[in-house]
Amino acid sequence: DAGVTQSPTHLIKTRGQQVTLRCSPISGHKSVSWYQQVLGQGPQFIFQYYEKEERGRGNFPDRFSARQFPNYSSELNVNALLLGDSALYLCASSRRLGDTGELFFGEGSRLTVL
Amino acid sequence: QKEVEQNSGPLSVPEGAIASLNCTYSDRGSQSFFWYRQYSGKSPELIMSIYSNGDKEDGRFTAQLNKASQYVSLLIRDSQPSDSATYLCAVLGGGGSYIPTFGRGTSLIVHP
Repeated sequence: DAGVTQSPTHLIKTRGQQVTLRCSPISGHKSVSWYQQVLGQGPQFIFQYYEKEERGRGNFPDRFSARQFPNYSSELNVNALLLGDSALYLCASSRRLGDTGELFFGEGSRLTVL
Repeated sequence: QKEVEQNSGPLSVPEGAIASLNCTYSDRGSQSFFWYRQYSGKSPELIMSIYSNGDKEDGRFTAQLNKASQYVSLLIRDSQPSDSATYLCAVLGGGGSYIPTFGRGTSLIVHP
């Protein structure tokens, strides 16, 4: 079975631009979470979706938004990019909401903001 | 605010030794605990989960949980250079929380 897939893997944007990151969970997994990881830090929670509904939101500004589609794939959007948004953005899936400690991560999208 | 604390390291051990990685957490109601391994430039990978006080063994890995002390550890026996990575502790709180909190990770270096 395919694991969690994310696209794009690398991207470079300039300040003020907008970016959309995409994630396909493992087949059968209904929960998708997004994390931001900067160098030397652990993943910081951004959003959690389950059955297409937002179930949790981390301490990130409104410039960050996400959604989950009927096929359980998900998009993370970031508007008005800042230099500090440069990070590895990780998508993780789990089968059920109660399993959300046991996360399967994609390889991430590395965003550089210039 | 729920916190998960780890020493960033690096922890350096010789090949064949036991590596001991530690994690403390602030939410006394936490119920589930996880260790993830992250190789440089890669994404985290779940290696152990533990839910009850005591020890849980899986091959060369042993997770230890002490809820009274709010402490969870990971022991790696017979450490190999391939174990060199950052080890992330993640804690899932109680009260119906479905969002794990990650520590910053401990860098482990196993030298031949």
